[in-house]
Amino acid sequence: SAVISQKPSRDICQRGTSLTIQCQVDSQVTMMFWYRQQPGQSLTLIATANQGSEATYESGFVIDKFPISRPNLTFSTLTVSNMSPEDSSIYLCSVAPGTAYAEQYFGPGTRLTVT
Amino acid sequence: KQEVTQIPAALSVPEGENLVLNCSFTDSAIYNLQWFRQDPGKGLTSLLLIQSSQREQTSGRLNASLDKSSGRSTLYIAASQPGDSATYLCAVSGGADGLTFGKGTHLIIQP
Repeated sequence: SAVISQKPSRDICQRGTSLTIQCQVDSQVTMMFWYRQQPGQSLTLIATANQGSEATYESGFVIDKFPISRPNLTFSTLTVSNMSPEDSSIYLCSVAPGTAYAEQYFGPGTRLTVT
Repeated sequence: KQEVTQIPAALSVPEGENLVLNCSFTDSAIYNLQWFRQDPGKGLTSLLLIQSSQREQTSGRLNASLDKSSGRSTLYIAASQPGDSATYLCAVSGGADGLTFGKGTHLIIQP
């Protein structure tokens, strides 16, 4: 298993600004993922962030809007850039220790409100 | 593109009942299927993971089955308790590309 923490747990931001969300894992993992959960909706994958390579973005998500860093095997950041009210969501990171067959574990999420 | 559907969207039952939550997916080429619960304002808690080669997994009062060829999974909850009230999410993995989630079943167990 893996224990994941995220900072901040919540934030209220003004439109046009940027917020960087941090994800810390208690063990080294190769595969890390970022998801978004819009109000009343399920989770949607934003990108896969594997250490040592560029993040891979899903359709509808671009690097200029959601830049990701993965400096080591226990840490990653997701930045939400030039925010608008439509970016108000819960952002969650997850890890899959081991292989693609592994169970995924999720952080507690960051609740973002953009005014 | 993989699509995951969960039925019912919401369910309310009296305490003590056994219940079944359903999940279906369109592409049977999956690595595994995972069931989660999400409590209001909280992150996700993994309940059960079923590998593509497995038929079922059990943990306590929970039993999850997988019929990969028909694209279906069920989560069986025995002797439900008010603490089981949460949103239950089904998600499938196609490999190293993250999970595809259903919209969830919002479950309420009445005391």
